Amino acid sequence: AQSVTQLDSQVPVFEEAPVELRCNYSSSVSVYLFWYVQYPNQGLQLLLKYLSGSTLVESINGFEAEFNKSQTSFHLRKPSVHISDTAEYFCAVSFSGYALNFGKGTSLLVTP
Amino acid sequence: DAGVTQSPTHLIKTRGQQVTLRCSPKSGHDTVSWYQQALGQGPQFIFQYYEEEERQRGNFPDRFSGHQFPNYSSELNVNALLLGDSALYLCASSLQFTGELFFGEGSRLTVL
Repeated sequence: AQSVTQLDSQVPVFEEAPVELRCNYSSSVSVYLFWYVQYPNQGLQLLLKYLSGSTLVESINGFEAEFNKSQTSFHLRKPSVHISDTAEYFCAVSFSGYALNFGKGTSLLVTP
Repeated sequence: DAGVTQSPTHLIKTRGQQVTLRCSPKSGHDTVSWYQQALGQGPQFIFQYYEEEERQRGNFPDRFSGHQFPNYSSELNVNALLLGDSALYLCASSLQFTGELFFGEGSRLTVL
């Protein structure tokens, strides 16, 4: 069965520290991979995506993710987090090119 | 350029009632998807519409139905509401086959 697993439900981290949010998926077919961020009481915003090409993708606000086909992973990283990065982060995988399968989310809490 | 807009933003219904939620896609987008996000969970795919037809459906009962209009806007209808239908309902638009979704702020439904 095709599924998406976010390995950590909550990740507390101090401001300016590095962070990694983990995401694994199970699929035997080609996939498209996404990370979305959701701030309180808001909809989801696309953070970054992998459709094809370079396996390392970057966002405009310093996040990056690397597609690892052999490990079926798409972990999200940032070398130095800010208080404003506090939010819920969702990994999503498109197996069919239509619907997105979302993980359960990882709550990132950045403290001073 | 207006993004995805949804209405209403909040609504309260009682068990057994029916509800209609509305969505206008981002300009230039022709595909609309609906997701249900229960509290503390990731979004779950309900269905996707393209060219006024339901193209793919998730694991939701027939009480959930939808429609897409010639101007690409869409409605989600839920009949015979249950307490468990309480959730944030997210609309997302895209260009077909890209897999990249743009989400609205959502409609928060509370069923009493």
